[in-house]
Amino acid sequence: SQKIEQNSEALNIQEGKTATLTCNYTNYSPAYLQWYRQDPGRGPVFLLLIRENEKEKRKERLKVTFDTTLKQSLFHITASQPADSATYLCALSFQKLVFGTGTRLLVSP
Amino acid sequence: DVKVTQSSRYLVKRTGEKVFLECVQDMDHENMFWYRQDPGLGLRLIYFSYDVKMKEKGDIPEGYSVSREKKERFSLILESASTNQTSMYLCASATGYSNQPQHFGDGTRLSIL
Repeated sequence: SQKIEQNSEALNIQEGKTATLTCNYTNYSPAYLQWYRQDPGRGPVFLLLIRENEKEKRKERLKVTFDTTLKQSLFHITASQPADSATYLCALSFQKLVFGTGTRLLVSP
Repeated sequence: DVKVTQSSRYLVKRTGEKVFLECVQDMDHENMFWYRQDPGLGLRLIYFSYDVKMKEKGDIPEGYSVSREKKERFSLILESASTNQTSMYLCASATGYSNQPQHFGDGTRLSIL
């Protein structure tokens, strides 16, 4: 069956470091992959979209990679700040948009 | 910026009641979606609509119905609320169905007692 995996354990890092979040999937061949940020009690907010023929996409301090061979996307936040603390969701476009359960990021001052 | 507005942030209803959740978007998007979000289960699609008066079932439509009489408004209806429908409900809109960013409202936290 189709599956999206994001680390359910929170990622704790120190301010200024690079945060790397992982999204693995099986039995999908998505044409697009998206990343969202969700703060407690709020709806997800779109961050980045990457197509299957793109290896990497950047937006300010954010970088997303998409490896269709490994079936994996990595989401990087460079020079992380406490304000980056949130849950980050990946979503795969495969007939419909399918969301992972998210990984919580905690950035300490 | 796209704005998706959900009518209530918090709602408490009783078992057996008919519950209406309203969602309005201001960007003329064709596609609108209703999800529920539960701990450990992520976002699950209940229903979506790709045009006025058009609707399609998502992954978990049982116990729910929807209405889209106007392009900007998409309503979720719990026909007879049950305790297992206690959840966070999120509405979203998008220009595309699966290949475009979705814009979410801030959700309605619904408790069924």
